Amino acid sequence: DVVMTQSPLSLPVTLGQPASISCRSSQSLVFSDGGTYLNWFQQRPGQSPRRLIYEVSNRDSGVPDRFSGSGSGTDFTLKISRVEAEDVGVYYCMQGTHWPYAFGQGTKLEIK
Amino acid sequence: QVQLVESGGAVVQPGRSLRLSCAASGFTFSNYNMHWVRQAPGKGLECVAIISKDGSSKGYADSVKGRFTISRDNSKNTVSLQMNSLRAEDTAKYLCAKDSPNGSVDFWGQGTLVTVSS
Repeated sequence: DVVMTQSPLSLPVTLGQPASISCRSSQSLVFSDGGTYLNWFQQRPGQSPRRLIYEVSNRDSGVPDRFSGSGSGTDFTLKISRVEAEDVGVYYCMQGTHWPYAFGQGTKLEIK
Repeated sequence: QVQLVESGGAVVQPGRSLRLSCAASGFTFSNYNMHWVRQAPGKGLECVAIISKDGSSKGYADSVKGRFTISRDNSKNTVSLQMNSLRAEDTAKYLCAKDSPNGSVDFWGQGTLVTVSS
């Protein structure tokens, strides 16, 4: 199985400051069709996950533009340009190139 | 609107079996792969199993391979997870999830709780 490794696992951030989460995969996430199927999810306490980003850098409808995704191959990054209080939660990367899909360990974002 | 409703969670003893079900509505079920994802208390998400649109292809996490079986009934819009030889480490909330094109998941159920304990 593909292993996804996130860092950091804990991310204290001051309101209004940027935040960045790294995600690395044990295998290339480039699919045979040329696509790269790396997603980012946010999970708030007591809720099911919510997708923020798909295919590395595409924001879902309703996701604020302060969230952005980048990367290629095996190295990916989620950036929040200016953290707001509502961004508190756990962030997961998930690869969808290889079966079964796999999540990173999660990064807990909290306000400093 | 898309709805995924899981059922079947329970408290079971180690070594026993349990079957979870997920009832889907609000989309053309037979057009999408489906997943079971679990989350142990206070822990992260783990993709447990995936099944193709027609049920012909299946994939499992190493942690459950040989013990869990995913299946689907496209006539009833349901996906199931048969869990055998349950272990304490299988204790988790089990969520049904709908696949989306391009290697992603776009809808989740609320989950059903499985507790494995003597």
